[in-house]
Amino acid sequence: EVQLVESGGGLVQPGGSLRLSCAASGFTFSSYRMQWVRQAPGKGLVWVSQINSDGSSTRYADSVKGRFTISRDNAKNTLYLQMNSLRADDTAVYYCATPPGAFDIWGQGTMVTVSS
Amino acid sequence: QSALTQPRSVSGSPGQSVTISCTGTSSDVGGYNYVSWYQQHPGKAPKLMIYAVSERPSGVPDRFSGSKSGNTASLTISGLQAEDEADYYCSSYAGTYRVFGGGTKLTVL
Repeated sequence: EVQLVESGGGLVQPGGSLRLSCAASGFTFSSYRMQWVRQAPGKGLVWVSQINSDGSSTRYADSVKGRFTISRDNAKNTLYLQMNSLRADDTAVYYCATPPGAFDIWGQGTMVTVSS
Repeated sequence: QSALTQPRSVSGSPGQSVTISCTGTSSDVGGYNYVSWYQQHPGKAPKLMIYAVSERPSGVPDRFSGSKSGNTASLTISGLQAEDEADYYCSSYAGTYRVFGGGTKLTVL
């Protein structure tokens, strides 16, 4: 079955860190660029970051640049998002997904809550 | 990195057609033929309906179509069905990043 499964979300205090993981299965993970998209409660989708297929090129939204790091381990079929210096406005469901194209797959999302 | 502009809501009756607009700038929508559209039902992950302005992924009904003119892209849904009621988001490539619209709630009357 083709799927993405996110994990690592939870409650963290402002200024804290969290690492999200996204495990891929059922497709050739190493052939695809990947992205993270987030959605605050009751709000719209916001693009966070993207990485190319071999991990050599990354892109970030201005709102997370310098605080978040996207990476991947193609041997483990896993995508990561290291989130540092977390703020209340980072509270959201975080989705991993393929960028728009003929092959579209999204995970179920993992909730990150930043609160004291 | 400003969000693309979408109407907050649109509505239509079963069988009718509706069009959702998505307005950006020459740096995103107008500059690239990489506009995509997502459908999201409550509590679910988004689903890609259109990519590269007008291409449909396998399995998406041909009732969904996309187009672009200048800095504005559009999603048209013809033959509205009850299950089309959802939130719709446009997205565009913008060179070094991607940007989403604020979302449009489609109500099927």
